Parts: sequence; C-alpha cells; structure tokens
Amino acid sequence: EIVMTQSPATLSVSPGERVTLSCRASQSVSNNFAWYQQKPGRAYRLLIYDAAIRATGIPARFSGSGSGTEFTLTISSLQSEDFAVYYCQQYDNWPLTFGGGTKVEIK
Amino acid sequence: DVQLVESGGGLVQPGGSLRLSCAASELNLKSSAISWVRQVPGRGLEWASTISGTDDSTYHAESVKGRFTISRDKFKNMVYLQMNSLRAEDTAVYYCAKHLYNILTAIGHWGQGTLVTVSS
Repeated sequence: EIVMTQSPATLSVSPGERVTLSCRASQSVSNNFAWYQQKPGRAYRLLIYDAAIRATGIPARFSGSGSGTEFTLTISSLQSEDFAVYYCQQYDNWPLTFGGGTKVEIK
Repeated sequence: DVQLVESGGGLVQPGGSLRLSCAASELNLKSSAISWVRQVPGRGLEWASTISGTDDSTYHAESVKGRFTISRDKFKNMVYLQMNSLRAEDTAVYYCAKHLYNILTAIGHWGQGTLVTVSS
C-alpha cells in the first residue's frame, strides 16, 4: 500500500498570504495524484488532478506541482473561502490512498 | 450541476448488514467509474470499493474484501454498496464518488455522505 503523508497537519495563516502544502508518497505515483478541499457541510471538491491540472472552475490562485513522490499545493493569496481541510490522494495503484489532511485555519 | 446523493445509512448491530445507494442528478452512472470512500468522523479518508465504468469490474480494499460488494443497476441509474458482517470499525461517513474518467483517475464529484454506525 502506498502511504501518503501530508505536512503540516495544521497551518495558521492570514488572508492574503501565500500558502504551501506538501504531500509525500511512500513510493513513486508518477503524476497520478490529486488534491481535494473539504469544508464543513460541503461536498469534497477536486482542486488539482494529474498533479498539476486545475479542475473545472478552480481559481488560478490554486496550483499544483511535483511528480514521483513529492507534491505541493500552492495557494498564491489565501482568500477567506479557502480556510478548509486539504487532502492529497494517489490513484496510481490499488488501493487508492489519501493523506491525513492539512487544516488551513485563520491566524 | 452534477449531484450525487447517498442513502441507506443508519445504526446497525455488529454482524448486521446494510445497503447503501448512490443516485445522481444530471449524470449518467451507467458508464461511470464510481467509488465508495469512507471517513471516520474527525479522521482521514479511506477508499473502500470501486466499480469500473467500462466493464463493471470491481475492486475492494482488503479491510472490506469478502464483506462488501459494489454493484450497479443500469436501468435505475444507481450504484450500491452491500455491506455484510459489519464491524464497529466500519463506522464512518460513506461517500459516493464519481471518477473523472475511468478507474485509477481522480475523483471529480463527491456526494454529501451517509453515516453508518455499527454498535450494539
């Protein structure tokens, strides 16, 4: 099983700041990798797939990079609606696995 | 906008069974790759099962293999998760999720989830 490790677990930031979230895979997943956002009472939302492609309707302030085992989600200027929990996922191989999440909270 | 709606969750005793259903608005589930992903409240996500959109092949996590079955009713445009021999550790919110393309692609749409509680 491929283990996905996210860091940090919690990030306290102010609106307008640049935010970088990390995810590491225990073995290479090529670019078969996604980022999701979870907000209370809302369905999970796909942000980035294939490591760097923004999903439909996702603002340009969200960007993804990386391949193999190291991945990054960057939010260029954090907006109030971006405070949420972010999860990474690999879909290179079974079982599909997710990271433990990074909570982005207001500083 | 595409919406996935789960139903069928509830309280069940250990060893019992439950069938979850997934319906979709403005979406044809007949040829879609669909997964069930679960989340223990306050914890992370765990993939449970997937059904292929091309040939209805199914895939299950080791933790549920032999106990859970994912299936599709093309006439009703529904996907199901039959859960047997339930254990306390199966307690979680279960999400129906549609993959962007076929299996082993990102999940493009998620439902709101249905809570399954296994307890005596």
